[in-house]
Amino acid sequence: EAQVTQNPRYLITVTGKKLTVTCSQNMNHEYMSWYRQDPGLGLRQIYYSMNVEVTDKGDVPEGYKVSRKEKRNFPLILESPSPNQTSLYFCASSLQGVDNEQFFGPGTRLTVL
Amino acid sequence: GENVEQHPSTLSVQEGDSAVIKCTYSDSASNYFPWYKQELGKGPQLIIDIRSNVGEKKDQRIAVTLNKTAKHFSLHITETQPEDSAVYFCAARPWGNNRLAFGKGNQVVVIP
Repeated sequence: EAQVTQNPRYLITVTGKKLTVTCSQNMNHEYMSWYRQDPGLGLRQIYYSMNVEVTDKGDVPEGYKVSRKEKRNFPLILESPSPNQTSLYFCASSLQGVDNEQFFGPGTRLTVL
Repeated sequence: GENVEQHPSTLSVQEGDSAVIKCTYSDSASNYFPWYKQELGKGPQLIIDIRSNVGEKKDQRIAVTLNKTAKHFSLHITETQPEDSAVYFCAARPWGNNRLAFGKGNQVVVIP
């Protein structure tokens, strides 16, 4: 089944404890992206990747890191999480670029205490 | 950067009636405008999109219209059904940019 998977789906952590949210797609898509969703703010893009080893900042990259070593994986890294990073995170992928259909993962609910 | 606004924030309609959601954008060079539907507890899913060289696009009960002069585009849902209840996000892609700017979302409630 073609899909985008994220792990974990739910995470409660404490300020400053490094964490990684994994994202994987099995559709051989070139474009991958991370978004955060907050009440009243909609979806905001954190980072995106056009292809392997090519990443770029979105609208709200501060406090996040990403890597794209393999085409299928695009992990989101929070080196030192803070409470303002409490949010619902979505990974998405598309065949080529942002003007193709983006397939979203199921989301990761992160709480930073 | 691109700024996308959606109106109204919440829309309630009777089952069978039509629903219209409007989005405005700020960058006249934007050239791709998708609409995503998000059901409770799920990720957004593309339902329809339109490019700047087209004025209208339909897919069964769903249509999108684009007015480039006024810099707005609208989602039209006809014969609404309970399963149309969801949050709808519009977005715009500025020309030459590999990012999407999303609106804040509209909650649509279809009343049986």
